[in-house]
Amino acid sequence: GDSVTQMEGPVTLSEEAFLTINCTYTATGYPSLFWYVQYPGEGLQLLLKATKADDKGSNKGFEATYRKETTSFHLEKGSVQVSDSAVYFCALSDRASSTLGRLYFGRGTQLTVWP
Amino acid sequence: SAVISQKPSRDICQRGTSLTIQCQVDSQVTMMFWYRQQPGQSLTLIATANQGSEATYESGFVIDKFPISRPNLTFSTLTVSNMSPEDSSIYLCSVARTEKETQYFGPGTRLLVL
Repeated sequence: GDSVTQMEGPVTLSEEAFLTINCTYTATGYPSLFWYVQYPGEGLQLLLKATKADDKGSNKGFEATYRKETTSFHLEKGSVQVSDSAVYFCALSDRASSTLGRLYFGRGTQLTVWP
Repeated sequence: SAVISQKPSRDICQRGTSLTIQCQVDSQVTMMFWYRQQPGQSLTLIATANQGSEATYESGFVIDKFPISRPNLTFSTLTVSNMSPEDSSIYLCSVARTEKETQYFGPGTRLLVL
């Protein structure tokens, strides 16, 4: 079945540090991949997405590349800010899923950035 | 993207009671979903809310506990029935114009059951 495995947290970084959050997936079909972010006390916001192999999603300095050969979609940012402190969720949507449109989520990674 | 609102934003309820959560979208969408996020956990799909037909529930979730309505293409409700402390969670609705398009989430309803 479909699943997402996400790097365990929490992750604590100093401002301007480099960020990597690992995400790997298992899918029966041809998934689209997503990163969602949840700021404290808020709902989920779409951060970036990629719909086919080798696509790179990017937004707000974050980027992730859809790697079919390694079934990965790692999130990176070159220089984090305090305002990036949030929980990050990797997710996939599989067009072959029995539940159309369903998202499969990883466990989430709590990121805290200190000034 | 779509603008999604949920009511209430939070509530504290007594065990054995029921709470109905509303989800309103600013445009017509085909797909509406209800998720649960238990404390410190990831999101789990409860059901897909289908307009004009019964909701489709995921394994472990039943209609008697989580009845869902979808009267039109912009609105849905989820009821959490006969609540227990284990139902304390964030409940989120999400929408997509079609099953192939990006899913957007509402702000969530934070429920605490005492």
